Amino acid sequence: GQNIDQPTEMTATEGAIVQINCTYQTSGFNGLFWYQQHAGEAPTFLSYNVLDGLEEKGRFSSFLSRSKGYSYLLLKELQMKDSASYLCAVKDSNYQLIWGAGTKLIIKP
Amino acid sequence: GAVVSQHPSRVICKSGTSVKIECRSLDFQATTMFWYRQFPKQSLMLMATSNEGSKATYEQGVEKDKFLINHASLTLSTLTVTSAHPEDSSFYICSARDAIAGENEQFFGPGTRLTVL
Repeated sequence: GQNIDQPTEMTATEGAIVQINCTYQTSGFNGLFWYQQHAGEAPTFLSYNVLDGLEEKGRFSSFLSRSKGYSYLLLKELQMKDSASYLCAVKDSNYQLIWGAGTKLIIKP
Repeated sequence: GAVVSQHPSRVICKSGTSVKIECRSLDFQATTMFWYRQFPKQSLMLMATSNEGSKATYEQGVEKDKFLINHASLTLSTLTVTSAHPEDSSFYICSARDAIAGENEQFFGPGTRLTVL
């Protein structure tokens, strides 16, 4: 079966750095996405990785290792507004998005 | 960036009634739109994939006669929840794929919170 694993919840301090991990087992791979979702709102796109390596976009970076079926989202200089759920999703061989359950990130002052 | 709207944002209805939710791509053409359902503290669950001008493809376990999807144009898809029951109460989210930009990103609507009494 297809599976996306990410931690259920993480806590970090304002101004710090946090890394959210995602491991996947899917039938084929056509890219990995990270989305941010605030409570009661729809997800917003953060990043897309299809090749191994690190993609940096401002305070957010995303890393992919296809051989390990592993990705992480790195958030730097955390702000209170970064409190949200972070969803990892993989596009499989049928170009269908398989979603993880999301990681709820709690930022403390 | 591309904008997707949904209407209504919130709806409360009585059990047994039908509710229609609209999803519009405002500044791009979307040959494919997706309908998701999300229960509290759970991940997105894909219900169906809607292609303009053809029948929707439903995920396993989703009743196509209960969740009617129409994708009549490149900018509009509708989801009708027929004979709604309290267990249909959920957050319904649509997303659209830009026909020109390609398949690397889906743009999400703001979601519709349905409460069935």
